[in-house]
Formats: sequence, structure tokens, C-alpha cells
Amino acid sequence: GENVEQHPSTLSVQEGDSAVIKCTYSDSASNYFPWYKQELGKRPQLIIDIRSNVGEKKDQRIAVTLNKTAKHFSLHITETQPEDSAVYFCAARAGETGKLIFGQGTTLQVKP
Amino acid sequence: GAVVSQHPSRVICKSGTSVKIECRSLDFQATTMFWYRQFPKQSLMLMATSNEGSKATYEQGVEKDKFLINHASLTLSTLTVTSAHPEDSSFYICSAYRGAGTGELFFGEGSRLTVL
Repeated sequence: GENVEQHPSTLSVQEGDSAVIKCTYSDSASNYFPWYKQELGKRPQLIIDIRSNVGEKKDQRIAVTLNKTAKHFSLHITETQPEDSAVYFCAARAGETGKLIFGQGTTLQVKP
Repeated sequence: GAVVSQHPSRVICKSGTSVKIECRSLDFQATTMFWYRQFPKQSLMLMATSNEGSKATYEQGVEKDKFLINHASLTLSTLTVTSAHPEDSSFYICSAYRGAGTGELFFGEGSRLTVL
């Protein structure tokens, strides 16, 4: 089955700097890659997603890149703000069953 | 976005009792619902896939007799933790899938289970 590895597990940046989180997946049939932000005790919130027919997608300060050949995808947050501090999860899905497998999570701390 | 409601948000029970958690898709019919478990400072681990009208598919290592899943309609799935023990204490989150299209999963608010 699918396996998703996420790095780093913790990331601390200064406000205004960029943050990059990387994930690799194992199933070459995976075709959908969402990123979630989760605050303590809350449900995961989708922040951006990308499908396998696209190499890059951007939404304001957030961007995701996908390298299908290498089977890895990354989240880029620019001009970080303290409110970006949270746990971020990548995920991957193969087929159209909806089943998502999550990475281990990255705790992002943005220092004012 | 679509709304998924999960209830209860918090539950405390004694060891040996059973607890039922409900997951409802309020404004769409969910072809599939998924149940995840999340221990503190860990990731979301998929427990099972629930399809309306059929038996749930459990992930490896998840005891189907302990975590009973019922998906009686396209808008409701329930997870029952039977004979709960302290090690079952966790954050349980359901998610609903509307089907191919946006591809997005919609998550419930989560249920914090504490077994004493």
C-alpha cells in the first residue's frame, strides 16, 4: 500500500522567512496530493492540493510542487506569519476511492 | 465547502464500556466515509473505510470486532469502540468523500475519547 514520508518533523522560522516541507510517496499510481493545516485539537483544514497532471500550483503565499518521476512533492510558504504556526500534514491518494494516507506531520513555528 | 458533523466532541468513559461516535455529512451524500485515529503529536492513521450498505474495510492491525463501523445511509456513519480500555484514548476523526470530482475529503470536528 501507499506510504508517505514527511520531513522535517519540526521547523522553526523567523516571521517573514519562507518555509519548505517535503514529502515522498511510494505508490506510483497516486494521483492526488493535498496539504492540511491542523491546529491543536481541531480538524485538519485543506490549504492546497495538487493532482498528478500538474507540476506546480500556487495560492497567494502557499505553493505546492510535484515531481512524479521522483515521487515527491513539497509545500512552500512564503512571507510566513505567526498565525501560520501549526502542524502541517501532506497526504497522497491513489485512484478515486478517496482514501488518503498521511505523512507524519511537521510542526511549524513562526517566531515574531 | 461541504459540512461534516461529528458527535460527541468529547467523551469520557469507564474502562470496559462501549462508546459510539457519529459522523454525518450535512449537505451532501457521502459515497464513502473514512475513520482516522490520532494520538497526541502523531499523524492521522487510517482505521477503516466505510461504504454505505456494505461492510467496512479495516486497515491492517485494526481490530474489526473492537471498532465496529456502521454506514447505514449516505449521510451517516458510526464508530463504536467496544469494551474500551485506556489505550483506546485518542482523537477519532471521520471524513466524508463526495466522490470523484474535486477529490477533497471533508473532515468532522473530531471526537476526543478518554477512557478511565
